[in-house]
Amino acid sequence: GAGVSQSPRYKVAKRGQDVALRCDPISGHVSLFWYQQALGQGPEFLTYFQNEAQLDKSGLPSDRFFAERPEGSVSTLKIQRTQQEDSAVYLCASSLLGTGYRVASYEQYFGPGTRLTVT
Amino acid sequence: GQQVMQIPQYQHVQEGEDFTTYCNSSTTLSNIQWYKQRPGGHPVFLIQLVKSGEVKKQKRLTFQFGEAKKNSSLHITATQTTDVGTYFCAGPFAGNEKLTFGTGTRLTIIP
Repeated sequence: GAGVSQSPRYKVAKRGQDVALRCDPISGHVSLFWYQQALGQGPEFLTYFQNEAQLDKSGLPSDRFFAERPEGSVSTLKIQRTQQEDSAVYLCASSLLGTGYRVASYEQYFGPGTRLTVT
Repeated sequence: GQQVMQIPQYQHVQEGEDFTTYCNSSTTLSNIQWYKQRPGGHPVFLIQLVKSGEVKKQKRLTFQFGEAKKNSSLHITATQTTDVGTYFCAGPFAGNEKLTFGTGTRLTIIP
């Protein structure tokens, strides 16, 4: 079946613009994660959903970052008033299991990422 | 703060040589997962270790989880050009649900 898809794959934004990044998880996957990966670094956790509930947003760098998953499937990461330090690859990952399980204990399937460049 | 470090940061080996990357956590992990990221690609899950002292093998790859569940290693025997990429360990700290990724080891192969 299809894997995790993300769009757009590349986004160039001028400083101060708002951007919206989309993630389509694997069908039926309960958990969805967003990560930020700077060049040469490992992915850094941003936020996590179980179905439509955002259970952890402790990794969001500032209140300019907002994520939603209104119907428990597709998710959108929005960045308002982009800054140069927001330039990175934004990765989405989904995992099959959810409520009642230690979701971090199951493999995550990553999408190809969106490379955001803020000029 | 809680962090996961990997050494070495870079490793260049001749094709056919062995390769090892080490992962060290500041605090106990509930489990350890290993991911491989090819250049320009996204992380791909390799394996998960849960038990203290656990060892798992996948063909030429051997994974270990330390007795104290604070460190892990990945060993590749007789490297091939297809092994090129960055290897990340990742784990949830005890009592936490989110994955913390290590700093990664970038492997390049000299043909």
